[in-house]
Amino acid sequence: EIVMTQSPATLSVSPGERATLSCRASQSVSSNVAWYQQKPGQAPRLLIYGASTRATGIPARFSGSGSGTEFSLTISSLQSEDFAVYYCQQYNNWPPWTFGQGTKVDVK
Amino acid sequence: QVQLVESGGGVVQPGRSLRLSCAASGFTFRTYGMHWVRQAPGKGLEWVAVIWYDGSEKYYADSVKGRFTISRDNAKNTLYLQMNSLRADDTALYYCAGAEFGGGNWFDPWGQGTLVTVSS
Repeated sequence: EIVMTQSPATLSVSPGERATLSCRASQSVSSNVAWYQQKPGQAPRLLIYGASTRATGIPARFSGSGSGTEFSLTISSLQSEDFAVYYCQQYNNWPPWTFGQGTKVDVK
Repeated sequence: QVQLVESGGGVVQPGRSLRLSCAASGFTFRTYGMHWVRQAPGKGLEWVAVIWYDGSEKYYADSVKGRFTISRDNAKNTLYLQMNSLRADDTALYYCAGAEFGGGNWFDPWGQGTLVTVSS
């Protein structure tokens, strides 16, 4: 089973600042990584797939990068609606499909 | 619009059974693999099971293998999860999610979830 490890667990950022979230896979997953955003009381929402392709309707301030075992999600200028928990997921080696434990982005 | 609506959750005693449903609309259900993902209170996301777009393949997490059964009815645009021998650690919000191009890809769309509480 591939283990996805996210860091940091919590990221405190001021509105308008840049946020970079990291995700590491226990073995290579090529570019088969997705990122999801989850707000309190809501279902996860797909942000990025293929490590760097934004899903439909996702603002350009969200960008993803990486391949192999190291991945990152960058939010270029945090808006109030971006404070949430973010999960990475690998879909290269399955089953199982595995998620990171999440990074909470909160207000500094 | 694209929508997944889960139902069937509730409070159930350990060892009992429950069947969850997920009704799809607004997209071509029969071309999507469908997954169940759960989230225990205050915890992260855990993949549970998948069924391929045509029902030809099914996979389960080790934690539910032998107790849960995933199925679908493409004529009714509905996904199911039969949960038997429920345990306290099955308590979670259960989401259904679609995966285009068969089943092996990223998850989109997601439903809003149905809560399963296993307690005596």
